[in-house]
Amino acid sequence: EVQLLESGGGLVQPGGSLRLSCAASGFTFNTYAMAWVRQAPGKGLEWVSGISGSGDRTYYVDSVKGRFTISTDNSKNTVYLQMNNLRAEDTAVYYCAKHSPGYSGLDHWGQGTLVTVSS
Amino acid sequence: QTVVTQEPSFSVSPGGTVTLTCGLRSGSVSRSHYPSWHQQTPGQAPRTLIYSTKTRSSGVPDRFSGSILGNKAALTITGAQPDDESDYYCVLYLGSGIWVFGGGTKLTVL
Repeated sequence: EVQLLESGGGLVQPGGSLRLSCAASGFTFNTYAMAWVRQAPGKGLEWVSGISGSGDRTYYVDSVKGRFTISTDNSKNTVYLQMNNLRAEDTAVYYCAKHSPGYSGLDHWGQGTLVTVSS
Repeated sequence: QTVVTQEPSFSVSPGGTVTLTCGLRSGSVSRSHYPSWHQQTPGQAPRTLIYSTKTRSSGVPDRFSGSILGNKAALTITGAQPDDESDYYCVLYLGSGIWVFGGGTKLTVL
């Protein structure tokens, strides 16, 4: 059974940093792309970042380019999202998601971790 | 400006059939956009229903089906049940590794 468990959320001041982690199990981690998707309070879903199974290709939505970095540690079956220079508009629940084979969609989701950017 | 479009809301009677759509502000949706559909109830994480246009995710009942209808992706729910009352999001692959979600459709079953 695929399981994705996020951690690392919390309250941070504007301009601060936070690193989210997503521990994966139940599948061969380094053969599937992974993604982070967020949802601001009362709003819809927004794809934020993705990374290939090999970890050599990364992708970002324009609004986080240069501030967020996605990475993986295959020895720990974990995907990370390093978030720097955080803004109030980054406040959201951040979900980790697994891509389906061939980067053809998202087929499993974690439960999410809340990030609040406020002074 | 919303690149991926969805109906903001839809209503269906219990036992009825409803088709939700997912379009592009400019252009047509095709299988190369790998449309997928995700269900979310308030306070819960999303759940994948369909990916790659019509592949049903594990454990999803066959009354949920995906397709391309005209120039849009479509999610059809047959025999709607009260538990189907949720928000439904589509997401499309727009190339260069980038995915974009639609704004979601709030489905009411009554």
